[in-house]
Amino acid sequence: EVQLLESGGGLVQPGGSLRLSCAASGFTFSSYAMSWVRQAPGKGLEWVSAISGSGGSTYYADSVKGRFTISRDNSKNTLYLQMNSLRAEDTAVYYCAKSLPDCSGGSCSDVGGAFDIWGQGTMVTVSS
Amino acid sequence: DIQMTQSPSSLSASVGDRVTITCQASQDISNYLNWYQQKPGKAPKLLIYDASNLETGVPSRFSGSGSGTDFTFTISSLQPEDIATYYCQQYDNLPFTFGQGTRLEIK
Repeated sequence: EVQLLESGGGLVQPGGSLRLSCAASGFTFSSYAMSWVRQAPGKGLEWVSAISGSGGSTYYADSVKGRFTISRDNSKNTLYLQMNSLRAEDTAVYYCAKSLPDCSGGSCSDVGGAFDIWGQGTMVTVSS
Repeated sequence: DIQMTQSPSSLSASVGDRVTITCQASQDISNYLNWYQQKPGKAPKLLIYDASNLETGVPSRFSGSGSGTDFTFTISSLQPEDIATYYCQQYDNLPFTFGQGTRLEIK
């Protein structure tokens, strides 16, 4: 069964750090781009960051650029999100998501297409 | 950033009704448009990708259409289990952006 399982959420003070993990199973992890998407309480979905299958390309929303770092360990089938300098506005449920391939004309996008598999989410609360 | 505008923001309909949600992009995104369903307390679920392709296992009462800037999501016959919030999402340009969501309720 294809599955994503996040962990690492919790309560952290403003300015603090947290590392989220997303364990993947049931598919060839290294073949797919992955993303983190967050949802503040009662709000909509916000894309946070993406990483290519190899890990060689990374992308960030402006709201987290310079503070968050996405990475992956393909030998462990695990995606990470290192979050530093956390702010109250980072409070949200964080989902990891697998991307469908986005290929045309013989080449494929680094970041893929639609998010076809999602984890259950992990809550991050930034508060003093 | 590409802005995605969904309408309506909420919708009340009866079982068996045909339900339509629209999504407008602030610029041409070709067919790089996806639709997701999110039930309370759950992760989003992909329903439609590339504007009109039904994800495997998704009931055929769900459909999508459109290209360029204007897109439509339709439920042909509303079922009680379709109560959820629906989001469109573009992936033509980074940052990927979502619509604000449409909350669907049963009348």
